[in-house]
Amino acid sequence: AQSVTQLDSQVPVFEEAPVELRCNYSSSVSVYLFWYVQYPNQGLQLLLKYLSGSTLVKGINGFEAEFNKSQTSFHLRKPSVHISDTAEYFCAVTASGGSYIPTFGRGTSLIVHP
Amino acid sequence: ETGVTQTPRHLVMGMTNKKSLKCEQHLGHNAMYWYKQSAKKPLELMFVYSLEERVENNSVPSRFSPECPNSSHLFLHLHTLQPEDSALYLCASSQDRGHEQYFGPGTRLTVT
Repeated sequence: AQSVTQLDSQVPVFEEAPVELRCNYSSSVSVYLFWYVQYPNQGLQLLLKYLSGSTLVKGINGFEAEFNKSQTSFHLRKPSVHISDTAEYFCAVTASGGSYIPTFGRGTSLIVHP
Repeated sequence: ETGVTQTPRHLVMGMTNKKSLKCEQHLGHNAMYWYKQSAKKPLELMFVYSLEERVENNSVPSRFSPECPNSSHLFLHLHTLQPEDSALYLCASSQDRGHEQYFGPGTRLTVT
């Protein structure tokens, strides 16, 4: 079985500042990793994914994440945030063998202040 | 219509009613999912359909009944719900299980 821990439930930041949203996972097998964003009154939207290959993954809206196997982490970063980035962010993991059932973290609320 | 659509977007029902939520995906995907999203709780996977195989979360009460007549349509039949079932119900699809998921906008359900 796998699990996901998003270490911060809320991250406040000022506009144009850098941000990092942390995600750690636990799994006994290889994994696929995802970050999703949810804006108010909407469903989740894929930001980026790691399946294999380069550990630095670039996504939409200027976000990127780095897969660190030794630390079992997949932290999300953006060098300069905008007010419009205010949303809920979810990290998700799927074991790359077996049932392929996804597990989501509890989410991190990113609040960008002007 | 593109992507994943869900109807209705909002639903208020009494505890003795029977209703159904509908989801349709226009992406040619082979897997579809139902999630429950409650405030202050993690996203809860309820059911997965993939190539006519169903995987379910054993903790989901029997008052929730899924139906997947084909790879593009997914229903969630509701009966004798409880107030704690009030939540946002999200449908998603993916090319195959394990791939990235595409979500619909959700149905906001309120049980009175």
